[in-house]
Amino acid sequence: GENVEQHPSTLSVQEGDSAVIKCTYSDSASNYFPWYKQELGKRPQLIIDIRSNVGEKKDQRIAVTLNKTAKHFSLHITETQPEDSAVYFCAADSNYQLIWGAGTKLIIKP
Amino acid sequence: EPEVTQTPSHQVTQMGQEVILRCVPISNHLYFYWYRQILGQKVEFLVSFYNNEISEKSEIFDDQFSVERPDGSNFTLKIRSTKLEDSAMYFCASSNYRDSNSPLHFGNGTRLTVT
Repeated sequence: GENVEQHPSTLSVQEGDSAVIKCTYSDSASNYFPWYKQELGKRPQLIIDIRSNVGEKKDQRIAVTLNKTAKHFSLHITETQPEDSAVYFCAADSNYQLIWGAGTKLIIKP
Repeated sequence: EPEVTQTPSHQVTQMGQEVILRCVPISNHLYFYWYRQILGQKVEFLVSFYNNEISEKSEIFDDQFSVERPDGSNFTLKIRSTKLEDSAMYFCASSNYRDSNSPLHFGNGTRLTVT
């Protein structure tokens, strides 16, 4: 079946530094790539998404890039803050389903 | 802002028992979904529902599972005979459209514990 790979599984960065999380997908027909943030015990919340007709999208400290040829997309968080600590999931649409990555636990060190 | 609501927040049941998880999607949404997340693992698609029928379902969604929209507001997931491995967080979601034009809105989830 279709698959989304996400790396790293855990990422620890110093407060104020940048964090980058990378995903690859297998379905060449995928054209929607959301990123979700999940705090412990809570629901996933959409933080940013990108569609295949766009290569990059930015929203304040968060940006996402997409390389459709390579089937890669990445989340970039700049000037990280303690409240950025959470698990981040990438996903890709495939046959009207969202296929999720395994998640990245982002730890912001003070 | 309208929200997807789920009840109960936590359900404990014995193996072999039936459970029904309830969801109230956002009122003007047309597409409804159930996802599952085993503790510490990724979110997994179970089923999507539109116009009173299942649109897509995953391999996880076997004959033990069923969904229903019994009235104009509720959307339920039934597990007929629960197994230990059904223990997970179950998230309901809804959207305006089937394709990628409308993001998913998730509920807070129901934590199902099968003992």
